[in-house]
Amino acid sequence: QKEVEQNSGPLSVPEGAIASLNCTYSDRGSQSFFWYRQYSGKSPELIMFIYSNGDKEDGRFTAQLNKASQYVSLLIRDSQPSDSATYLCAVSPGYSSASKIIFGSGTRLSIRP
Amino acid sequence: SAVISQKPSRDICQRGTSLTIQCQVDSQVTMMFWYRQQPGQSLTLIATANQGSEATYESGFVIDKFPISRPNLTFSTLTVSNMSPEDSSIYLCSVGQSPTGGETQYFGPGTRLLVL
Repeated sequence: QKEVEQNSGPLSVPEGAIASLNCTYSDRGSQSFFWYRQYSGKSPELIMFIYSNGDKEDGRFTAQLNKASQYVSLLIRDSQPSDSATYLCAVSPGYSSASKIIFGSGTRLSIRP
Repeated sequence: SAVISQKPSRDICQRGTSLTIQCQVDSQVTMMFWYRQQPGQSLTLIATANQGSEATYESGFVIDKFPISRPNLTFSTLTVSNMSPEDSSIYLCSVGQSPTGGETQYFGPGTRLLVL
């Protein structure tokens, strides 16, 4: 079983709709959860992090965490063509910057005009 | 967040040679990390570099193949030694930071390596 699992996609969403990206993780002791966006040929860019159960909103992005179900999701509202990218879910066992992060394989998102 | 630069941005190398990749940060950071991203794949952690101590390598990566230096709090190098085509990959450094109170990692632009 992979430590962090994501559907590889591609996930195709019409412009203006909500894109929903999902991630599950195997280590029940995980403490920190991240979503990175990676455009083709570029390095990953942090877009959200969440530590507590529930929702965290930042602009058009909402991260959702359910530790009991070991599930993390990212919602993108009012999807734009510029949101087309690979989204990497990442999980860490700790809170400190010294904690290593384990990445999922990523979900390719395509926003169609 | 910190500004991270890497050199070179890309290189084409012959098998059997070695390449040293530099990572420079514009502020002092405790932890620096080196990752590899093979074509079409996700990121795999190679090692954690802490200033003043030996790097900590992940399973499957050894110091003889990927020696790392961390001479100060703003700089690190990763060497890919005795390269083979299987080493063709993007190599990324990242730093741990907490700009908003939460600890996370930010990535440099990456070094794209092609081994012939």
